Amino acid sequence: NAGVTQTPKFQVLKTGQSMTLQCAQDMNHEYMSWYRQDPGMGLRLIHYSVGAGITDQGEVPNGYNVSRSTTEDFPLRLLSAAPSQTSVYFCASRGALSDTQYFGPGTRLTVL
Amino acid sequence: GENVEQHPSTLSVQEGDSAVIKCTYSDSASNYFPWYKQELGKRPQLIIDIRSNVGEKKDQRIAVTLNKTAKHFSLHITETQPEDSAVYFCAASIVGSSGSARQLTFGSGTQLTVLP
Repeated sequence: NAGVTQTPKFQVLKTGQSMTLQCAQDMNHEYMSWYRQDPGMGLRLIHYSVGAGITDQGEVPNGYNVSRSTTEDFPLRLLSAAPSQTSVYFCASRGALSDTQYFGPGTRLTVL
Repeated sequence: GENVEQHPSTLSVQEGDSAVIKCTYSDSASNYFPWYKQELGKRPQLIIDIRSNVGEKKDQRIAVTLNKTAKHFSLHITETQPEDSAVYFCAASIVGSSGSARQLTFGSGTQLTVLP
C-alpha cells in the first residue's frame, strides 16, 4: 500500500491564482481530512469528509473548497490564493472503526 | 468546540534524561488522546494514544498519563536519545462506541531537543 499520497510536494503561486492540491489513499478509509500547519499553531483542520459525497468545514475553511467524489480522492482547491495561505498542507485519512489517523507527506505552498 | 493547550513550546534535555510534555483539554466529553511525533520535514506519525477508560499507557520508553478530573494528559519519554528530537503534538477527540469519531483537535506542538 502507498498509504496517503499528496501532490505536489512544493508549489509557488502568485496572489489571485487558483490551484488544486491532490490527496489520495489506497486503504479504503472513509474519513479524510485536510490540515494546514503554521509555525507555533499546530495542525488546524480546514475541511473533512466522512465518506464519498459528504464533506464538512473544519476550523479554518475560508478560501478553500473540497469535494469527495470517490473514496480514494480528496482534493483541496484554493480559489484565489492569498499570502495568508502560505503554509504546509497535510492530508490525512482513517478508517471508520479505527482511531489511528494516517498523514500524507505534505505540500509546502508559498503564495507571493 | 474543543480547545487543547500544550506546554512547553520548546524543551531541551540532556541525553539520558526524561522529558515531559503536558496538554490540557476543555471538552469533558473528549475520550481519545493521541500523541504524534513530527521529525523535521516529515509527516506527523502516531507514537502512542490513550482512551479515557485508562489512566496510563506505556510503550517501551514512552508513556502517556491521563487525569480526567483535571482534564489534562502528559507524554513521558525516559532515557531520551538524540533521535527523540522532534516536534510532538498532542490531540483530543470524541470517539463513539461504534467507532465513529469527531475530528482531532491538536495542541500547538513542543519542539524537543535532546542534547548529546
